[in-house]
Amino acid sequence: DAGVIQSPRHEVTEMGQEVTLRCKPISGHDYLFWYRQTMMRGLELLIYFNNNVPIDDSGMPEDRFSAKMPNASFSTLKIQPSEPRDSAVYFCASSFGAPAFFGQGTRLTVV
Amino acid sequence: AQTVTQSQPEMSVQEAETVTLSCTYDTSESNYYLFWYKQPPSRQMILVIRQEAYKQQNATENRFSVNFQKAAKSFSLKISDSQLGDTAMYFCAFMKARGGSEKLVFGKGTKLTVNP
Repeated sequence: DAGVIQSPRHEVTEMGQEVTLRCKPISGHDYLFWYRQTMMRGLELLIYFNNNVPIDDSGMPEDRFSAKMPNASFSTLKIQPSEPRDSAVYFCASSFGAPAFFGQGTRLTVV
Repeated sequence: AQTVTQSQPEMSVQEAETVTLSCTYDTSESNYYLFWYKQPPSRQMILVIRQEAYKQQNATENRFSVNFQKAAKSFSLKISDSQLGDTAMYFCAFMKARGGSEKLVFGKGTKLTVNP
């Protein structure tokens, strides 16, 4: 298996634009997580899914953030409209039991 | 709610020496997993070692070993014969065992520098 695949690796966008981050989990994994990493706040869990159903989205910072998992092999995290404070590295991870395996992350820069 | 605390924001060690990174956690669960992840400058999150709470024996992976003290809720990582490639952020993490919500809770991390 190729592991968890995220795209794009880097994204630079202007404030106010819509940004969509994509994730393909490892085949057979039933949990999918979206994390955000910043210097100030460390690794924050934004939302996670079990069998494509969102279980806990309490970490989503505000309504500008939304996440979907239309099927077992694909998830998206959307920010609309984006703001400079959204600049961070966004990780997707998946698991079946333990441990969780991470993608390489998307570095988002909002200017 | 589970919490994970890493009290050492930064540490350094000389190449070939041994270093121990500390981690404590708080939970009311009896069945769970603990992990150490490594994040080098490439930013990839790499699993270093895992420990199941029901196992009394401490996990070992080559130069990496843990000291798991369940009653004290402590889970430290020992790196022996440190190498330059061990320079990275190290994160301690907690996950409930299957049957509960399986989110992975991380500590703030320890930045380890291995000096030549």
